[in-house]
Amino acid sequence: DAGVTQSPTHLIKTRGQHVTLRCSPISGHKSVSWYQQVLGQGPQFIFQYYEKEERGRGNFPDRFSARQFPNYSSELNVNALLLGDSALYLCASSPTGGLNYGYTFGSGTRLTVV
Amino acid sequence: DAKTTQPTSMDCAEGRAANLPCNHSTISGNEYVYWYRQIHSQGPQYIIHGLKNNETNEMASLIITEDRKSSTLILPHATLRDTAVYYCIVRVEMNSGYSTLTFGKGTMLLVSP
Repeated sequence: DAGVTQSPTHLIKTRGQHVTLRCSPISGHKSVSWYQQVLGQGPQFIFQYYEKEERGRGNFPDRFSARQFPNYSSELNVNALLLGDSALYLCASSPTGGLNYGYTFGSGTRLTVV
Repeated sequence: DAKTTQPTSMDCAEGRAANLPCNHSTISGNEYVYWYRQIHSQGPQYIIHGLKNNETNEMASLIITEDRKSSTLILPHATLRDTAVYYCIVRVEMNSGYSTLTFGKGTMLLVSP
């Protein structure tokens, strides 16, 4: 079985641009969460979606948005990119969104803003 | 959120047991302790979780003190591939009934030959 798939793996953008990151969860998993990991820090929670609805949002500005599609894949969008948005963006999937099953993380998208 | 405190780094000789401590003195009665690890340039990997009792799986053992204010992750026979950042996390339950993970900086475990 394929794990959590994220695309692209690496991305370079210019300040002010927008970016779309994509995530395909494990087959059968209905919940997707997004995390941002700045170099040297642990991952920070951005969003959680379950059954196409937003279930939770972390302390991130409105420039960050996300959505989940009927096939449970998800997109993370970031507008008006800042240098500080440079990070590893991680997607995690789980069957229901609760933690009892643990989360499975993808390998992430490395975003560099110049 | 219940906060966790971990040492910044630890060393372990290959083949020996690695014991990684974590303090979570403000943990609530219904909060679980989770351990994840992150090998360089990869996403975090689930290791184990527990509430009150000690737990063991094919990867590790989790020892939680009786007062639940601290725990220890044990890798019984560390290998070079266990070199990673290890995160101790207390589950946060959001109002919607779903949970998220609050990561700290973790412990960098270096396993040496």
